[in-house]
Amino acid sequence: TQLLEQSPQFLSIQEGENLTVYCNSSSVFSSLQWYRQEPGEGPVLLVTVVTGGEVKKLKRLTFQFGDARKDSSLHITAAQPGDTGLYLCAGARTGGTSYGKLTFGQGTILTVHP
Amino acid sequence: GAGVSQSPRYKVAKRGQDVALRCDPISGHVSLFWYQQALGQGPEFLTYFQNEAQLDKSGLPSDRFFAERPEGSVSTLKIQRTQQEDSAVYLCASSLGFRWQLTLMNTEAFFGQGTRLTVV
Repeated sequence: TQLLEQSPQFLSIQEGENLTVYCNSSSVFSSLQWYRQEPGEGPVLLVTVVTGGEVKKLKRLTFQFGDARKDSSLHITAAQPGDTGLYLCAGARTGGTSYGKLTFGQGTILTVHP
Repeated sequence: GAGVSQSPRYKVAKRGQDVALRCDPISGHVSLFWYQQALGQGPEFLTYFQNEAQLDKSGLPSDRFFAERPEGSVSTLKIQRTQQEDSAVYLCASSLGFRWQLTLMNTEAFFGQGTRLTVV
């Protein structure tokens, strides 16, 4: 059962376009992590957001954590073919008996055409 | 090596065969996780170890799945009597975990490349 809903599931765009991927949940997470995964490889961590309302920028990527720490977005400016891949959001809980187990969204497959 | 290493990278098993998947976590990482990933989907949690102790196995889909980490480093995921529905990529991840106070930094997970299991 996926507790994190990602949208859209598929995104096919031209080089230079902008895009936004959304990650929504009814649950509160201690932190939310965004990963990028290429075929045949494991997920690679892009960023972790912790504070409600937090915005982090990584070159052309902007990540935002919702005020209530239930949702997040990833915005890519001027997409390039090298951005092609599966983007995953994952929530972690670290309070009480939790230990950082990740709950993943179903992923967004991004294809950027030259 | 510096990262999480998994072997084999690819495994083809005949239905009914037993398989063993190996994970070498980053040295010194206390926490180790196994996840299962279907094609084009997000990973789903299988089990968690803190050192050699298996503290959560709630995600294991059946009693045919068994995991161990006897010395608190290398872990093995074993699947007995494989079925076609077991076909997936099995990912291992490790994090610093509870070595110190539980903080954001020590819960960040590093993933291996995965083992793609195909049951025919």
